[in-house]
Amino acid sequence: QKEVEQDPGPLSVPEGAIVSLNCTYSNSAFQYFMWYRQYSRKGPELLMYTYSSGNKEDGRFTAQVDKSSKYISLFIRDSQPSDSATYLCAILEAYNNNDMRFGAGTRLTVKP
Amino acid sequence: DTAVSQTPKYLVTQMGNDKSIKCEQNLGHDTMYWYKQDSKKFLKIMFSYNNKELIINETVPNRFSPKSPDKAHLNLHINSLELGDSAVYFCASSQTPSGGGEQFFGPGTRLTVL
Repeated sequence: QKEVEQDPGPLSVPEGAIVSLNCTYSNSAFQYFMWYRQYSRKGPELLMYTYSSGNKEDGRFTAQVDKSSKYISLFIRDSQPSDSATYLCAILEAYNNNDMRFGAGTRLTVKP
Repeated sequence: DTAVSQTPKYLVTQMGNDKSIKCEQNLGHDTMYWYKQDSKKFLKIMFSYNNKELIINETVPNRFSPKSPDKAHLNLHINSLELGDSAVYFCASSQTPSGGGEQFFGPGTRLTVL
């Protein structure tokens, strides 16, 4: 079993839709939870990160963590064509020298 | 100003050759990483260095050898390249290995082995 599971998609939605991206993980030792956005032929850029269960909001983006279920989500409200990218979840075991694990990434296309 | 830079951006080479990829960060970070992104976009950590010392060494062939001449640089040397080495390799850095979560990535080096 992979340590981080993420549906690779692809996911295609119309402009203005609410997007839900999800990951599950297996190791409860992981402490920090991140979402990266990667545009085509670019390096991943950090979108949001959190270290606690619950919701964290930043503009149109909401990151949600449920540690009891080992489930993390990223919601995008009022999606825009510029949101079209691959979204990778990542989790980090902070007490093990920043050991980080990435999901496979979900490719999202927002159609005008 | 480029925070994490990698050279070359593209590398096409024959099987059996030896090649190096260079990475530099100007953020003053203590920790640097090499990741391999395969064709399915899955990012896997390969190595991590903290203050020039190896702290993470995942199961990668020993044909891959990281070298950190100083804490701002982490180079990746690959011997006897194989077809399966074709991938995008990302360098990254972070402030410390003790948590925080934010890693800054370079633009990636697309390696194609023919």
